[in-house]
Amino acid sequence: NAGVMQNPRHLVRRRGQEARLRCSPVKGHSHVYWYRQLPEEGLKFMVYLQKENIIDESGMPKERFSAEFPKEGPSILRIQQVVRGDSAAYFCASTDSSGNTIYFGEGSWLTVV
Amino acid sequence: GENVEQHPSTLSVQEGDSAVIKCTYSDSASNYFPWYKQELGKRPQLIIDIRSNVGEKKDQRIAVTLNKTAKHFSLHITETQPEDSAVYFCAAPYTGNQFYFGTGTSLTVIP
Repeated sequence: NAGVMQNPRHLVRRRGQEARLRCSPVKGHSHVYWYRQLPEEGLKFMVYLQKENIIDESGMPKERFSAEFPKEGPSILRIQQVVRGDSAAYFCASTDSSGNTIYFGEGSWLTVV
Repeated sequence: GENVEQHPSTLSVQEGDSAVIKCTYSDSASNYFPWYKQELGKRPQLIIDIRSNVGEKKDQRIAVTLNKTAKHFSLHITETQPEDSAVYFCAAPYTGNQFYFGTGTSLTVIP
């Protein structure tokens, strides 16, 4: 009974490179969320997706950030032209269609050097 | 979106004492309120939740209370132990499925 799987767990990128973070939700879950957590700060909502649809991306920066959840395969959070301020832990979470009980993945720690 | 406020931001208690963390929310349609515990470098893990049809729920040393009229809910930890030291987050849904989290409370239990 696999939970939410994220990879990579740790990623180092130089400024200007691209970062791709992947998330496979709990089996049977069709709702995926991405949150960003800066060191010693809270969980900031970024985007909420269902299969092939972006439901709410109000928490995601308008530039350089994009997310998708295709019909097949994992959800992907993509950060283009990374800057030092993008260094953070990115958590993916999923729920079933009832919206109850949100489960988190282990997180992907992005470091921009 | 939902506005979730959490207090206090830091809390230190002696081992064996109780700890209380409070959250308020803005969306009166919210009907499900989970609490998460996050240890350093790890993912948030669900520790207890409550639905709007009850006012209190207990699970051993942890309890959550909900006041829908006032739009606030609280986490109570009794007989605290050092392993309770962590950051605790409350959450509330907005328009059903979108979850917004409080800013977190860093709890330290002093042995």
